[in-house]
Parts: sequence; C-alpha cells; structure tokens
Amino acid sequence: ETGVTQTPRHLVMGMTNKKSLKCEQHLGHNAMYWYKQSAKKPLELMFVYSLEERVENNSVPSRFSPECPNSSHLFLHLHTLQPEDSALYLCASSQDNSLGEQFFGPGTRLTVL
Amino acid sequence: DAKTTQPPSMDCAEGRAANLPCNHSTISGNEYVYWYRQIHSQGPQYIIHGLKNNETNEMASLIITEDRKSSTLILPHATLRDTAVYYCIVRVRNFGNEKLTFGTGTRLTIIP
Repeated sequence: ETGVTQTPRHLVMGMTNKKSLKCEQHLGHNAMYWYKQSAKKPLELMFVYSLEERVENNSVPSRFSPECPNSSHLFLHLHTLQPEDSALYLCASSQDNSLGEQFFGPGTRLTVL
Repeated sequence: DAKTTQPPSMDCAEGRAANLPCNHSTISGNEYVYWYRQIHSQGPQYIIHGLKNNETNEMASLIITEDRKSSTLILPHATLRDTAVYYCIVRVRNFGNEKLTFGTGTRLTIIP
C-alpha cells in the first residue's frame, strides 16, 4: 500500500465510449501525475499537476483530458480512444514539486477494442 | 535531463548482494540520481536517491563515483521479492514540476 489508489484496476472500452480513470492520494501531497506504460516501452509522463494547476502536458492527444478538482484527486477522462491507447495508466503523487520522491498507485490496465 | 545507460538484464543468487550499475556520463552538477523499481504488474516504487555522497536506507545503498558519471545500486541481501525492473533516473531540480524520465531499466531476476 503506497497511499495512492486507482480505480478501476481494469477497464475494457470501445473506441466510441467515454470513461474516466480515478486516482486518490491519502498522503497530503500537493503534486500529482499521470503516466502511461505501453507494452515494451518506458513509462511516459503525460500530465503533472501542482497545487491543482496543470504544469506539464507532454504533447498528449486531446482524447485524454485530465482533471484535478483538489489536491487529493486526479481524473483522466477518456473519449474516442484508439486501440494503440491500450496500456497501463499509472498515477503518482509527491510531497512537493522539487525533490520529493513519487509514490505510485497500482495502475489501471486499459484495453481499447 | 541526462541520459542513463543500464544493462538490460541481470541475475543474482538469493541471499547475495545485487549490484546494479548505471552510467550517466553527461550528468550535470545540479542533477540527482534516483532509483526506482517496478515489480511485475505494480506501479514503480521509490528506492533511494543521491547527489554526490553515498547514501543508504533500509532498502538499499547507492554508491556514486567521485566524478558522478556512474553509480551502483546495491541490494545487500537479495530475496525473491526483489525480482523487478530497476530504473536509474537522473533528474534536474525543476521547481514548478517534477519530471521523471524512465528508461528501459535493468530486469533483475533473483535465482533461488
């Protein structure tokens, strides 16, 4: 248990569906992150939020839409995804945005049909 | 951030010390060396980090060469649960956001 939870753990969706991934951290951290891990590829940073404001967007397609309503919750809204978007989506949080280590959740395994 | 080079895979006997090398020859003075690991089907887990001096915690030791161009992560008494992919990351302090760039890492297999 890292103090970062993600739901759902597994998700199968069609290309026309709209779904959301949820991340919650119980650590009092003020920075949160979304990463994508495709098969046989390194983890890719997607988004960074610091104090509920987006500070990094790594050229992610608009079919991925993040939302950070407060410092404990982070969402990733998905719509009209492609099969190549199938991957493990990982959420992480850190105490601050300088040197603190990141705590990762268990991830959501997403399959797009 | 400086690039890192790690061997793709290593084996280590259970109970022995596992020494995982990392080259970061282009590291700059304000970049830290971080180590994370990822056990199969789980999120990455922070292990240790350092700037210049050697560091030790309950999980591992980090040895950084004097010129800082390479480092070694040491798991002193490897167990089967240490089987994982180990990532060496060199990261600049970037106030405003903290950006970890993961490479392909070293797949460490602990042999019974």
